Amino acid sequence: GENVEQHPSTLSVQEGDSAVIKCTYSDSASNYFPWYKQELGKRPQLIIDIRSNVGEKKDQRIAVTLNKTAKHFSLHITETQPEDSAVYFCAASKAERFGAGTRLTVKP
Amino acid sequence: NAGVTQTPKFQVLKTGQSMTLQCAQDMNHNSMYWYRQDPGMGLRLIYYSASEGTTDKGEVPNGYNVSRLNKREFSLRLESAAPSQTSVYFCASSRTAGPSSGANVLTFGAGSRLTVL
Repeated sequence: GENVEQHPSTLSVQEGDSAVIKCTYSDSASNYFPWYKQELGKRPQLIIDIRSNVGEKKDQRIAVTLNKTAKHFSLHITETQPEDSAVYFCAASKAERFGAGTRLTVKP
Repeated sequence: NAGVTQTPKFQVLKTGQSMTLQCAQDMNHNSMYWYRQDPGMGLRLIYYSASEGTTDKGEVPNGYNVSRLNKREFSLRLESAAPSQTSVYFCASSRTAGPSSGANVLTFGAGSRLTVL
């Protein structure tokens, strides 16, 4: 089955800086890569996703890039704000199995 | 449109007691899932049901059973609770069915916090 590794496990940035979270996957047949955000005490929610026929996708301050050759994909958050503080999860392929999560803290 | 509804939100059990977590979705989704999330850890898949009438083990199925009662409902049962099962449990659903599916967007319930003493 698919194995997804996510790094770093924790990330602290100053407000306004950029944050990057990386995931690698094992199954070359994977074709769908979502990112979920989980605020403290809340449920995970999809924030952005990308299919394998696209190399990059942007939605305002967030973007996801995919390198199929290297089997890794990344979440980029620009101009970070305190409300971006949360745990972020990546997934690959059918998306029911997740990476271990990254706790992002944005310091005012 | 309530989405995914889980009950109960909180439960305290003694070791050895049994209980069932209920989950219902009103989005006509085919697939449903149960996850557990331990403090500081990620989401681990317990069981899933790709479609009505089928269930499959996930990463951590030991100590749990599931029932896909109908298309809307997917319950998780702890037959003899253990302290190691203290966790937050999330139910989720998705439209997609089948192992070859592409985009599989999960909609999560609000979670059920279970404590086993």
